Amino acid sequence: EAQVTQNPRYLITVTGKKLTVTCSQNMNHEYMSWYRQDPGLGLRQIYYSMNVEVTDKGDVPEGYKVSRKEKRNFPLILESPSPNQTSLYFCASSDTRTGARETQYFGPGTRLLVL
Amino acid sequence: GENVEQHPSTLSVQEGDSAVIKCTYSDSASNYFPWYKQELGKGPQLIIDIRSNVGEKKDQRIAVTLNKTAKHFSLHITETQPEDSAVYFCAPRIYSGGYQKVTFGTGTKLQVIP
Repeated sequence: EAQVTQNPRYLITVTGKKLTVTCSQNMNHEYMSWYRQDPGLGLRQIYYSMNVEVTDKGDVPEGYKVSRKEKRNFPLILESPSPNQTSLYFCASSDTRTGARETQYFGPGTRLLVL
Repeated sequence: GENVEQHPSTLSVQEGDSAVIKCTYSDSASNYFPWYKQELGKGPQLIIDIRSNVGEKKDQRIAVTLNKTAKHFSLHITETQPEDSAVYFCAPRIYSGGYQKVTFGTGTKLQVIP
């Protein structure tokens, strides 16, 4: 089954304790992206990656890091989480080849609470 | 960056009526215009999309219309059903060579009253 998986689905942590949210897709997509969703603000892009070893900042990259060492994985790293990073996080991927369906496929979300 | 506005933010309709949601964007380089539906506890899922060289696209009860001159596109749902209740997002995209930028609207909560 074609899908995007995220882990963990729920996470409670404390300020300053480094954490990683994993994202994996099995569709061989080049493009992957991370979003955060906050009430009234829709989804805001944190980072995206056009392909392996190619990453770029989205609209709200401060406090986050990403890496793209393999095509299928795109982990989101919070080196020193703060309470304002409490949010619902989504990973997404899409096929950017010429002629491919351009839709983004989203993971189920990771709900993060930083105390 | 791209400025995306979506209206209305909430919409209540009677079952069987039509619903229309409008999305206005600022960057004329936008070339792909999808609508996503997000049900409670799930990630957004594409319901319909349109490319910049097309003015209208229909898929059963759902349609999308694009006005590139005025920089807006709209989602039309006819004969609404309770299962259409969800939050809907527009997400115009700019794609050029090795660069892709997606900006989501703030969402429209649609409630279909049985």
